[in-house]
Amino acid sequence: GAVVSQHPSRVICKSGTSVKIECRSLDFQATTMFWYRQFPKQSLMLMATSNEGSKATYEQGVEKDKFLINHASLTLSTLTVTSAHPEDSSFYICSARLPRGGLETQYFGPGTRLLVL
Amino acid sequence: GQNIDQPTEMTATEGAIVQINCTYQTSGFNGLFWYQQHAGEAPTFLSYNVLDGLEEKGRFSSFLSRSKGYSYLLLKELQMKDSASYLCAVRDRGTDKLIFGTGTRLQVFP
Repeated sequence: GAVVSQHPSRVICKSGTSVKIECRSLDFQATTMFWYRQFPKQSLMLMATSNEGSKATYEQGVEKDKFLINHASLTLSTLTVTSAHPEDSSFYICSARLPRGGLETQYFGPGTRLLVL
Repeated sequence: GQNIDQPTEMTATEGAIVQINCTYQTSGFNGLFWYQQHAGEAPTFLSYNVLDGLEEKGRFSSFLSRSKGYSYLLLKELQMKDSASYLCAVRDRGTDKLIFGTGTRLQVFP
């Protein structure tokens, strides 16, 4: 299957700092990537859809100024959590969409665990 | 809008069979996915249904009834490593967004 990587896998930061998470599709080009957040013992919640070369589409209730998304190339999308606070501590997972035609159209990255102190 | 329901937790015994149900209400259906997620890891793809009926893949099978808005994942010959969360997700027509259910935590006992 297609490979998606995320970096870093784990990050601890102080409250008020910004954290950047990278999502890369390693062996295919992804015009669309998705960013999810998962709190402990809960399911994945879609935060935003990242489209290469255009602005991201945010889900209702997700602050676009706090969660900055940049999809500068067909293999890289970044999520920046600005002025992070303890309540932003979560597991952030990206997925990359394969070109149409495949049954399994989204491949997930391994996730980034963020802890804000 | 979309609404997806699954049981929160289930337990089963090693070697047994377990069925995890998922009901959904969606405005634009374009397939239903089942994912397995071990604690602290990303989801991994298990199965996909877009037409009614049963899809079998080894020890795992998935069923879909679009008229009833219902799916189930069937796990046979349970192994200890099957202890994980199982996520039902519906794909939205047009956007390809995956909308996840709450997930079912399955614990397999010896």
